[in-house]
Amino acid sequence: DQQVKQNSPSLSVQEGRISILNCDYTNSMFDYFLWYKKYPAEGPTFLISISSIKDKNEDGRFTVFLNKSAKHLSLHIVPSQPGDSAVYFCAASGETSYDKVIFGPGTSLSVIP
Amino acid sequence: NAGVTQTPKFRILKIGQSMTLQCAQDMNHNYMYWYRQDPGMGLKLIYYSVGAGITDKGEVPNGYNVSRSTTEDFPLRLELAAPSQTSVYFCASSKGLAGGNEQFFGPGTRLTVL
Repeated sequence: DQQVKQNSPSLSVQEGRISILNCDYTNSMFDYFLWYKKYPAEGPTFLISISSIKDKNEDGRFTVFLNKSAKHLSLHIVPSQPGDSAVYFCAASGETSYDKVIFGPGTSLSVIP
Repeated sequence: NAGVTQTPKFRILKIGQSMTLQCAQDMNHNYMYWYRQDPGMGLKLIYYSVGAGITDKGEVPNGYNVSRSTTEDFPLRLELAAPSQTSVYFCASSKGLAGGNEQFFGPGTRLTVL
């Protein structure tokens, strides 16, 4: 039973447009969320995070929105660039402790020039 | 500063063989993790360590063993390899607890068991 879901396996967006990647979670005890980005043949790299005391966190072109009542978060990339083409993993923690995270299956983003 | 390094990059094993995946970090992080990633799936935690001499099971520990004798190294041992262990393995480290801190990942080891 997946506790962190990313229902879109893939997404294609034109360069310069907004990319919106979605993530849903089932465990209401999760209260810290992270996004990681992964290029082929490399390990994931941290992108941005948000705690449940906030509903938005912004870092340059990347913004994460959290809707706790809906158990939903989204990552917005504006404007999208071809270098953003990668797999994006949503992750959550805080169920019983913060020593580990649960990862979603990932969404593969393609930004078309 | 090399970050997190993993060896080997690729390996093919026969059923029943054993091997050790090496992981090292030079950031003086207390926390280290081993994940596996199967096609179309997220990363599943195998084992983790909160410091030298302390390890604990993650979500999918069966068939694996770990040790942490130093802060820098966190090897993952596969005994009696099975086809179900075909996967990409990632080692990671973090300064603090993974749930609240950035994890730094190695480049991965692609393992095939035939």
